[in-house]
Amino acid sequence: GESVGLHLPTLSVQEGDNSIINCAYSNSASDYFIWYKQESGKGPQFIIDIRSNMDKRQGQRVTVLLNKTVKHLSLQIAATQPGDSAVYFCAENVRVGGGADGLTFGKGTHLIIQP
Amino acid sequence: NAGVTQTPKFRILKIGQSMTLQCTQDMNHNYMYWYRQDPGMGLKLIYYSVGAGITDKGEVPNGYNVSRSTTEDFPLRLELAAPSQTSVYFCASIWDRTDTEAFFGQGTRLTVV
Repeated sequence: GESVGLHLPTLSVQEGDNSIINCAYSNSASDYFIWYKQESGKGPQFIIDIRSNMDKRQGQRVTVLLNKTVKHLSLQIAATQPGDSAVYFCAENVRVGGGADGLTFGKGTHLIIQP
Repeated sequence: NAGVTQTPKFRILKIGQSMTLQCTQDMNHNYMYWYRQDPGMGLKLIYYSVGAGITDKGEVPNGYNVSRSTTEDFPLRLELAAPSQTSVYFCASIWDRTDTEAFFGQGTRLTVV
């Protein structure tokens, strides 16, 4: 099975509310975890990352929390806006071959912002 | 700075045909990746490259081939197209393994009929 997965396929929130998107991972050896945003018809875009030796990292309107005890990652988006509607993927780096890294992605959560 | 450019954007292939998906980046990134994304799913790694002349298999390499003759280009080759290869293909690049921000192309939507 996939080493990175998401709990909810769709999340609907009211504009202005906060959103929390969750992700479970299984590879304890990952060096970092990343959140990507994919708008319809586009490639994924980097949002924020967190190193495996950190618990929390904040960006502009976004916060990522890492709980290594339960292998759980979350992305919090404050005061959601219509432009936040997208599919959000968590990803981790894993070694896929002879020493190089590849990003492993979860299934994604579709965030829908209700007016 | 164009970033990562993929061509074509759309393509319909018949079973057994072959084609090459092109990927070019102008950021002088060392690492390049090819992913496929099936409907409602995440991205699965097909092949990757850590530099010119070096390629390696990812999670789902069967039915595909790649080459990396230059730093800029990383084409993906389908030799005998099958319906199971119907997907959206994304190329991505990153500076090196210590970097975390991968840049993705716009994707190639491939349908095999």
